[in-house]
Amino acid sequence: AQSVAQPEDQVNVAEGNPLTVKCTYSVSGNPYLFWYVQYPNRGLQFLLKYITGDNLVKGSYGFEAEFNKSQTSFHLKKPSALVSDSALYFCAVRDRLTGGGNKLTFGTGTQLKVEL
Amino acid sequence: NAGVTQTPKFQVLKTGQSMTLQCAQDMNHEYMSWYRQDPGMGLRLIHYSVGAGITDQGEVPNGYNVSRSTTEDFPLRLLSAAPSQTSVYFCASSYAGGSNTGELFFGEGSRLTVL
Repeated sequence: AQSVAQPEDQVNVAEGNPLTVKCTYSVSGNPYLFWYVQYPNRGLQFLLKYITGDNLVKGSYGFEAEFNKSQTSFHLKKPSALVSDSALYFCAVRDRLTGGGNKLTFGTGTQLKVEL
Repeated sequence: NAGVTQTPKFQVLKTGQSMTLQCAQDMNHEYMSWYRQDPGMGLRLIHYSVGAGITDQGEVPNGYNVSRSTTEDFPLRLLSAAPSQTSVYFCASSYAGGSNTGELFFGEGSRLTVL
């Protein structure tokens, strides 16, 4: 079985400050990991993914995430937050060994609020 | 670029009514799936398909049916709507996975209310 935990329902940060949104995962084998963002009344949009290789993954809009196998974590980060980053963020995982296409398991989401 | 198109965007049903949520993609993706999004529960997988004629159950399949007669379309049917099916439904598609795992592309969602 595969699962994702996002321990924070909401993260508040001041504009210009660095932000971190936390994610830990559980899979039987090695993971594929993803971050998605959802703006109000919209579908989810892909931000970045970890498949293999470099543990630091860079994605859209200046976001990056660090894969840490020993801590089974994949935290989302950005050096300088913008008010426009305010949205709902989802972490997702897929076990490489899982058959049946591209079944992603999502976390419960973290609401990011960036204030002036 | 249409991507993943869902209809309708909003629907109100009475308990016991049936309806179909439509999903179409124009990216020639083999994999298509339906999720429901509920507050505090994230997205949960209802059904998925790895190609035309092949469907399988996800985490929360009860009360829903799907079919995949073409690569492009993946409709979700509610057979007898219940208030517990009030939710926002998302269709998502991608290439089939494996070593070339890519991201899911999502539709804009269909907000369903069952009275």
